[in-house]
Amino acid sequence: NAGVTQTPKFQVLKTGQSMTLQCAQDMNHEYMSWYRQDPGMGLRLIHYSVGAGITDQGEVPNGYNVSRSTTEDFPLRLLSAAPSQTSVYFCASSVGQGYHEQYFGPGTRLTVT
Amino acid sequence: AQKVTQAQTEISVVEKEDVTLDCVYETRDTTYYLFWYKQPPSGELVFLIRRNSFDEQNEISGRYSWNFQKSTSSFNFTITASQVVDSAVYFCALSEAEESSGDKLTFGTGTRLAVRP
Repeated sequence: NAGVTQTPKFQVLKTGQSMTLQCAQDMNHEYMSWYRQDPGMGLRLIHYSVGAGITDQGEVPNGYNVSRSTTEDFPLRLLSAAPSQTSVYFCASSVGQGYHEQYFGPGTRLTVT
Repeated sequence: AQKVTQAQTEISVVEKEDVTLDCVYETRDTTYYLFWYKQPPSGELVFLIRRNSFDEQNEISGRYSWNFQKSTSSFNFTITASQVVDSAVYFCALSEAEESSGDKLTFGTGTRLAVRP
């Protein structure tokens, strides 16, 4: 049982490049989400999904796209990377809404130059 | 809108001291959930505890204890006899129960705890 996995662990992009951060979970969780962590700002929600085929925006969605074609996978796409997207990205999953704790992946450290 | 405030940015203590991490929250919902997560230097986020808004009992787990007070909208975390391994960033978080909020966790900005030997 691997839990929540994220790839890559580190990535450097040039401004304007696009890429996809991968996230997968093997716990059959319906709820998945993406956060970014910036110094002094805690974690902020980018996008989330309450089940396959359903996604919605969080607090800071601009510049990111998501899709949820399967229960297991929830990739995050950066369409045209900007230096402001330099951050650590965490994917999380949970059984359901509200009460349930979220399980976090190990994070992806992204630098945009 | 929900909000979580952790006013203490950094705390430094000497091993074996007790330390309390403060968390103040804002929400309009009557049903909500409060969480504490730990982020050690390795970077992963580890779930510590959950409390729902109807359960104001304090909880103790080993050296850790949590004090939930709805009257002051606080959910404080105390580490007794701190150890170097407690050094980490600690996040308080809030989730509202309304379906429209979609189980969105709102995090505080975190408190960095350094425990010196």
